[in-house]
Amino acid sequence: AQKVTQAQTEISVVEKEDVTLDCVYETRDTTYYLFWYKQPPSGELVFLIRRNSFDEQNEISGRYSWNFQKSTSSFNFTITASQVVDSAVYFCALRGTNAGKSTFGDGTTLTVKP
Amino acid sequence: DGGITQSPKYLFRKEGQNVTLSCEQNLNHDAMYWYRQDPGQGLRLIYYSQIVNDFQKGDIAEGYSVSREKKESFPLTVTSAQKNPTAFYLCASRGWDSQETQYFGPGTRLLVL
Repeated sequence: AQKVTQAQTEISVVEKEDVTLDCVYETRDTTYYLFWYKQPPSGELVFLIRRNSFDEQNEISGRYSWNFQKSTSSFNFTITASQVVDSAVYFCALRGTNAGKSTFGDGTTLTVKP
Repeated sequence: DGGITQSPKYLFRKEGQNVTLSCEQNLNHDAMYWYRQDPGQGLRLIYYSQIVNDFQKGDIAEGYSVSREKKESFPLTVTSAQKNPTAFYLCASRGWDSQETQYFGPGTRLLVL
């Protein structure tokens, strides 16, 4: 069985602060994929990043960075110098190669105040 | 432009009525998915299809039905058996060229009158 835990239900920061969203996962598959999605108020889920289980290299894209650690089964997401436009619900997801479906966490609601 | 479209954006259902939500994709993706999202909650899988003319139940299939007669289309019917259908419904697709990534449509918000 697959499981994704996003322990932080809501986070509130002031603009320009750095913020990290945690994601912990469980899977029995040796090959799997991890994802982060952003859901703005409009509702559509926007794909942010994908990582496969063989690639533990951290990634940076502008103000966004991701830290993947197999040893702790975590795939955390950091926003540097947060902006009001970053306010959204962020979902972490997992898909094992033996599963035809993905498992999503419950999401973290991020509010960035001006 | 390639993408996933869902219609309508808002849908109202009367009690005892079946309603159908449309999902169309022109990404040439083989797999399609339907999720339900309740306010303040995550996504729950209703049904998914990995190939035309085949589909599987997800975690909350009761009260819903689907068909997959064409690769591009995966309509979801909310039947009268679904007693609490008010929710936001999201359709997604995934293809061999998307490297395991699901891409989502804009969603349909279903309300019960």
